[in-house]
Amino acid sequence: DARVTQTPRHKVTEMGQEVTMRCQPILGHNTVFWYRQTMMQGLELLAYFRNRAPLDDSGMPKDRFSAEMPDATLATLKIQPSEPRDSAVYFCASGLTTGDAFFGQGTRLTVV
Amino acid sequence: AQSVTQLGSHVSVSEGALVLLRCNYSSSVPPYLFWYVQYPNQGLQLLLKYTSAATLVKGINGFEAEFKKSETSFHLTKPSAHMSDAAEYFCAVTQANQAGTALIFGKGTTLSVSS
Repeated sequence: DARVTQTPRHKVTEMGQEVTMRCQPILGHNTVFWYRQTMMQGLELLAYFRNRAPLDDSGMPKDRFSAEMPDATLATLKIQPSEPRDSAVYFCASGLTTGDAFFGQGTRLTVV
Repeated sequence: AQSVTQLGSHVSVSEGALVLLRCNYSSSVPPYLFWYVQYPNQGLQLLLKYTSAATLVKGINGFEAEFKKSETSFHLTKPSAHMSDAAEYFCAVTQANQAGTALIFGKGTTLSVSS
């Protein structure tokens, strides 16, 4: 059963600490998305990659967020330094076309 | 720029009643449209998608949606609600046949089903 795997599922950290979230896309999918979900803003697109190359990261605060795909089986989203306003659920999704995004279970981040 | 507007942040129906969740889109180019469902503490699951073939699209769990270009709408319906349909539903849009674009989501509609 192919699925997108995200780790960790939950993360509590102190303000100022570095946070790294990982995503394993579905094997063979060439597009990976990072979304952030909050009550106030809903689902926001942070960044996405096609064939491991970043296509759009305009949704990310550049000074503290970074997204990479070291290889086809791993995508990472880092926040350094983290702030309380970064508390949210972060979703990774993968797909083969611009649609059909398959979502992971998400990483629930709490910054205290 | 593309966007979707979901009318009604919360919809309540009785079990067995018709479910209607509204979505209007804005797009300067032909769109692809999607409905996703999210259960508590879960990721989003694709319900159905419109990709310029048939305007009436059938999805999983008995849901369907109709693309109406003249009304710029893509409303989600189900003839008879079940308790297990209680969840949050998201409408999304992307550009048809355009590499390099991502899904843009609406704010979501929470569906409650009472017995």
